[in-house]
Amino acid sequence: SQQGEEDPQALSIQEGENATMNCSYKTSINNLQWYRQNSGRGLVHLILIRSNEREKHSGRLRVTLDTSKKSSSLLITASRAADTASYFCATDARRGSTLGRLYFGRGTQLTVWP
Amino acid sequence: ETGVTQTPRHLVMGMTNKKSLKCEQHLGHNAMYWYKQSAKKPLELMFVYSLEERVENNSVPSRFSPECPNSSHLFLHLHTLQPEDSALYLCASSQEVARWGGTDTQYFGPGTRLTVL
Repeated sequence: SQQGEEDPQALSIQEGENATMNCSYKTSINNLQWYRQNSGRGLVHLILIRSNEREKHSGRLRVTLDTSKKSSSLLITASRAADTASYFCATDARRGSTLGRLYFGRGTQLTVWP
Repeated sequence: ETGVTQTPRHLVMGMTNKKSLKCEQHLGHNAMYWYKQSAKKPLELMFVYSLEERVENNSVPSRFSPECPNSSHLFLHLHTLQPEDSALYLCASSQEVARWGGTDTQYFGPGTRLTVL
């Protein structure tokens, strides 16, 4: 089964509001990454957080990681209509010989209304 | 997106056709990947190449045949596909396949939207 699971599956907010998406995973990881995908396009890397880090910031993005709960959250502050996209978390749990493989969740579809 | 390019962007083919998807990365990376993205399913890793050598074939049917002639180019040859193979096929690259302490960031192309009739 897949490693990461995002929650909620869909999120709809107004411009200016904050958007929070969560990711849970099942096994130990080295790092966790968040990616963004505009409709029908490729994924764009947003941020990487290592297992020994608890929080990381990049512009309007804030990512937290709780390895004891095997969960991460992505917060987008002061959202804009251009933030409308699907957001995926990806982890790198090792399974047998698949060293370094990324496991993606199904994603959270964020819609930001003007 | 300019770091990893994919052609064609859209492809419609019949089940008896043979076609190829092309991916090119301009980032000087050593690893390249093919993913399949179907509606409402997680991104599925298909193949991984490191320095032109296939390091993973994730139980992909033989009707998908990858080729990596050099570290900058990756192809996916398609033949006798099924309608359920319709999906967005994404190519990605990273500096390396794996290293101690984690996985490299992957850079994705825009994808090829494939429709099998």
